[in-house]
Amino acid sequence: DTGVSQDPRHKITKRGQNVTFRCDPISEHNRLYWYRQTLGQGPEFLTYFQNEAQLEKSRLLSDRFSAERPKGSFSTLEIQRTEQGDSAMYLCASSLAVGLGDTEAFFGQGTRLTVV
Amino acid sequence: AQSVTQLGSHVSVSEGALVLLRCNYSSSVPPYLFWYVQYPNQGLQLLLKYTSAATLVKGINGFEAEFKKSETSFHLTKPSAHMSDAAEYFCAVSSSGGYQKVTFGTGTKLQVIP
Repeated sequence: DTGVSQDPRHKITKRGQNVTFRCDPISEHNRLYWYRQTLGQGPEFLTYFQNEAQLEKSRLLSDRFSAERPKGSFSTLEIQRTEQGDSAMYLCASSLAVGLGDTEAFFGQGTRLTVV
Repeated sequence: AQSVTQLGSHVSVSEGALVLLRCNYSSSVPPYLFWYVQYPNQGLQLLLKYTSAATLVKGINGFEAEFKKSETSFHLTKPSAHMSDAAEYFCAVSSSGGYQKVTFGTGTKLQVIP
């Protein structure tokens, strides 16, 4: 296993278009997280899954954003009708739930979205 | 509510000098505290994590951090900087053991001068 993989690494899209990102977590990890990181800021939590269930969504996740993890393995994050403010690095992380907490979360390299 | 404040968005040190990156936290419950490193165009890598087991936490690459409740601080140190330490460092706090509750600071970019 080579860690958390994200695809694509870079995406340039025109305002108003839809985009979809994919995250493949570490295979035995049952938790998967999406974060957004804008320039000069730390990552901000968007949503997370335990297995296929989406357990929490941040208020940052507007109605234009949707995330899925259909079989409890890979996840997709879709942004509809993109806006320039959506330009950011989208990070995925995975971990193994242990009791109420997690083992260390491993991050992917991110997908950098530029909306023009 | 929880938050972290990283003092200094940019820090420069000479190679071989002490590295000190400052982080102060705010949490209404006993916190979990983290330091992450991010190299350009890369994801975040965990340097170390405080979980109340010991106030001095040793991490990877020679880094360590000390939890000081009275000062609400969790500063990151390394005795001798290497060129490979140049990166951005993020302090983070969580009110639980889970990463869904993690709040990251705004980051400190470390420059190492030869």
